[in-house]
Amino acid sequence: GENVEQHPSTLSVQEGDSAVIKCTYSDSASNYFPWYKQELGKRPQLIIDIRSNVGEKKDQRIAVTLNKTAKHFSLHITETQPEDSAVYFCAANGRDDKIIFGKGTRLHILP
Amino acid sequence: EADIYQTPRYLVIGTGKKITLECSQTMGHDKMYWYQQDPGMELHLIHYSYGVNSTEKGDLSSESTVSRIRTEHFPLTLESARPSHTSQYLCASSPNGRAEQFFGPGTRLTVL
Repeated sequence: GENVEQHPSTLSVQEGDSAVIKCTYSDSASNYFPWYKQELGKRPQLIIDIRSNVGEKKDQRIAVTLNKTAKHFSLHITETQPEDSAVYFCAANGRDDKIIFGKGTRLHILP
Repeated sequence: EADIYQTPRYLVIGTGKKITLECSQTMGHDKMYWYQQDPGMELHLIHYSYGVNSTEKGDLSSESTVSRIRTEHFPLTLESARPSHTSQYLCASSPNGRAEQFFGPGTRLTVL
């Protein structure tokens, strides 16, 4: 069935360093890959997305890369700041317009 | 302001009670979804709808039911609440032809 695997489940990085979260997906028909950030007690919010016709997309300190052949996509956060601490979910579109979410990565930014 | 709203935000009830969690969106989206999530944990899809009179069960078995009589409204009902239903319930919507989902603020349910 459709599946999105996400690693690591927890990640701690020193403030100012970079963080990378990796995901793999199973459905070769997937062509849309969003990333959501969920701060403590808040709703998930879309922070960046990528479609299968591009390999990389950047928005200030965050970037996503996509390797369709390997069915891998990654989120990169550079110059991390305390407000980057949150749970991050990767996702891929599946059949019937559903979004298949990864299990989430809890990112801690250490002072 | 166009947004997605959920009420109540917090609810504490006793076992056996019937409850309805409300979700409304003013964005004109056709697709709507209900997720169950323990705080900061995995998102489990429990119901979705593509439009009026369309409802489907999600990937996680749930004892809840939904209805979609109006485009903007997608309520979720638990006929007889149990402690195992204690969780956060997130509603989301998505415009037709696009995959992006926008989430509501959630309802945190506690069943005693």
